[in-house]
Amino acid sequence: DAGVIQSPRHEVTEMGQEVTLRCKPISGHNSLFWYRQTMMRGLELLIYFNNNVPIDDSGMPEDRFSAKMPNASFSTLKIQPSEPRDSAVYFCASSLTGGNTGELFFGEGSRLTVL
Amino acid sequence: GNSVTQMEGPVTLSEEAFLTINCTYTATGYPSLFWYVQYPGEGLQLLLKATKADDKGSNKGFEATYRKETTSFHLEKGSVQVSDSAVYFCALSPSYGQNFVFGPGTRLSVLP
Repeated sequence: DAGVIQSPRHEVTEMGQEVTLRCKPISGHNSLFWYRQTMMRGLELLIYFNNNVPIDDSGMPEDRFSAKMPNASFSTLKIQPSEPRDSAVYFCASSLTGGNTGELFFGEGSRLTVL
Repeated sequence: GNSVTQMEGPVTLSEEAFLTINCTYTATGYPSLFWYVQYPGEGLQLLLKATKADDKGSNKGFEATYRKETTSFHLEKGSVQVSDSAVYFCALSPSYGQNFVFGPGTRLSVLP
C-alpha cells in the first residue's frame, strides 16, 4: 500500500515567493495533520483536518500560511509570501481514527529552504 | 494542558549497551502513548504504542510500559545496534479526538 505522499521533497525559493506543498494521505484515512520540524523548535503541529474540515489551526504561524483539504485524498499547505524563517521540513501525516487512539502515518517530508 | 517531557539528548552509546530514554507526560483523561522513531532524512514512524495503564508496547527489541501512577512511558532496549541511531519521539494522544502531542525528541547515536 502507498503511504502518505508528499511533494515536492525539496524546494528552494527566494524570499517573497509563494510556496505550495502537497500531500496525499493514505486512502481511507479520515484525519490529516501538517507538522513543521526545525532544529530550534522541534516538531510543531500547524493544522489538523478531520473529514476534510479544519479542526485546529491554532499552530498556523500567521496569515501568510494557509491550508486546504478540498477532498479526502488531497491537501495543500501554502506560504505566501515566504520568508527565510519558514525554512524547515514540513511533514504531512494521516490517521484513521482522528488521532485519539490510532497511529499517525507520516510522509517523508518536504524540505523548504527560503533564501 | 497536555504535554510530553523527554530526557535531553544527544545520547551516545556503544553497540550492545543498554538503552533507556525517559518520557513523562501530563494529560487529562486517559491518553494513548507512543514512541516514534525518525531515521536520517525520513519521516517519523511508529515504533510502539500502549493504549491503557500497565500495557507494554514492544517492537524490534524496544519496550515501554504505560505507568499511570508515575505518568511515565520510558523506552528501553537491552542491546542497541548501530542501526538504532535515530531520533526518538515520545508522544501522547488525548482521548476525545484531540490531536497528538510530541516531545522534543532524543537523538541517539550508537557507535560500533
